[in-house]
Amino acid sequence: EPEVTQTPSHQVTQMGQEVILRCVPISNHLYFYWYRQILGQKVEFLVSFYNNEISEKSEIFDDQFSVERPDGSNFTLKIRSTKLEDSAMYFCASSGRRQGSSGETQYFGPGTRLLVL
Amino acid sequence: AQSVSQHNHHVILSEAASLELGCNYSYGGTVNLFWYVQYPGQHLQLLLKYFSGDPLVKGIKGFEAEFIKSKFSFNLRKPSVQWSDTAEYFCAVNARSGANNLFFGTGTRLTVIP
Repeated sequence: EPEVTQTPSHQVTQMGQEVILRCVPISNHLYFYWYRQILGQKVEFLVSFYNNEISEKSEIFDDQFSVERPDGSNFTLKIRSTKLEDSAMYFCASSGRRQGSSGETQYFGPGTRLLVL
Repeated sequence: AQSVSQHNHHVILSEAASLELGCNYSYGGTVNLFWYVQYPGQHLQLLLKYFSGDPLVKGIKGFEAEFIKSKFSFNLRKPSVQWSDTAEYFCAVNARSGANNLFFGTGTRLTVIP
C-alpha cells in the first residue's frame, strides 16, 4: 500500500538555524498538508498546498515558514529561523482530492521530531 | 471555528473489555468525521470516517463509531479490546464546505493490559 514518507525522522537544531523537513506524498495525490503536534498538545494544521501554491494556511504559519514542491515527488517545509517553541512533531499528509466536499481521507507520514535547543 | 473535544485523556482496560472513547465537536455546519489511530512508533492511520449515509460507521480491526448529529458526537467503540489496540486515538473533523484541513482533538491514550 502506498505510504507518505518523511525525512529525517529526528532533527536537532540550534535556535536561529534554518531547517528543511522533507516529505514524499503518495504519488497520485494532488493535495499536500503539513501539521504539527507540540508535546502534549493537539495536532494542529499548518498549511495545505495544491497546484503549486498554498491553498490554506493557519495563523501558526507565519513568515518564518514556507513550503515548496521542488520536483515531482518531494514536498518540503522550511523553517527559516527556528525558535524554541518550534520544537514539535511535524506531520506531512496528502490526499487525492479536496477533502471538504468529498470526505477524502488524508494519509499521514510518520512525522519528523524537531528539537530546537 | 471548529473544535474537537476528547474528554478521556488516558484509558486503561483489560483485554476483552469493551471500549468507548468520546468525541464531541463544535461546528454549526455539515462535517466529515474521522478517527485516526497512532500505534507506538508508527504514523497516524485512518480507522474509520463518516461522510454521509448510515451514521453507524464500521472501520478496520473491529472498530465502529456512531455519528449523533443532535449531540455533535462521534464516539468510537469496540466490543472487545486486545493488547494490540494499545495506541493513541485521535478524533478529527473537517467542515464539508470549509477549509481543506482537519481539526484534531487532543487524543486519547489507550493502554490494554493483557
